[in-house]
Amino acid sequence: GAGVSQSPRYKVAKRGQDVALRCDPISGHVSLFWYQQALGQGPEFLTYFQNEAQLDKSGLPSDRFFAERPEGSVSTLKIQRTQQEDSAVYLCASSLDGREQYFGPGTRLTVT
Amino acid sequence: EDKVVQSPLSLVVHEGDTVTLNCSYEVTNFRSLLWYKQEKKAPTFLFMLTSSGIEKKSGRLSSILDKKELFSILNITATQTGDSAVYLCAVHTGTASKLTFGTGTRLQVTL
Repeated sequence: GAGVSQSPRYKVAKRGQDVALRCDPISGHVSLFWYQQALGQGPEFLTYFQNEAQLDKSGLPSDRFFAERPEGSVSTLKIQRTQQEDSAVYLCASSLDGREQYFGPGTRLTVT
Repeated sequence: EDKVVQSPLSLVVHEGDTVTLNCSYEVTNFRSLLWYKQEKKAPTFLFMLTSSGIEKKSGRLSSILDKKELFSILNITATQTGDSAVYLCAVHTGTASKLTFGTGTRLQVTL
């Protein structure tokens, strides 16, 4: 069984560009989470989906960040008008029961 | 605001040593505490703890939770160079299932 996959693994964007990060959760996992991990820090919660419903988006740092999961499986995190402070690793995790969360390899975003 | 604090921030030991990593927390609506190992890629799940005083064990790794004193420890015995990683502690809170992470402990095991 495949784990959580994310693409791209690395993304370099010029300041002001829009980016889209993709997450493929483990098949059958109802819950999906996005986290942002800055260098030397622990992951910080961004948003949470249960199936296609976005139940918590309290961690999104600004209205430039938007996430969707339209069919309750694949999710996309979009960042508009990227800024240098958006540079981080973006981790996606999925969970069958909302408790044990299994993480993907992350997308390392560098904004220049 | 929910808070998870790990100590030490970093640690260098020799192969064969035993190490103890600490995690303390102050959160509302505690549900469980999780430990992850992070090398260069995804954090990999180690343990989930929900009850005080019950040790979870996997090979050379073990962990225990104290819900009265609000902390957990992760022990690694007979350390190997492959144990070198960042160890993350996270607390599962609230109804939305989000994890609140500590900063991590960076462990380096040398020959």
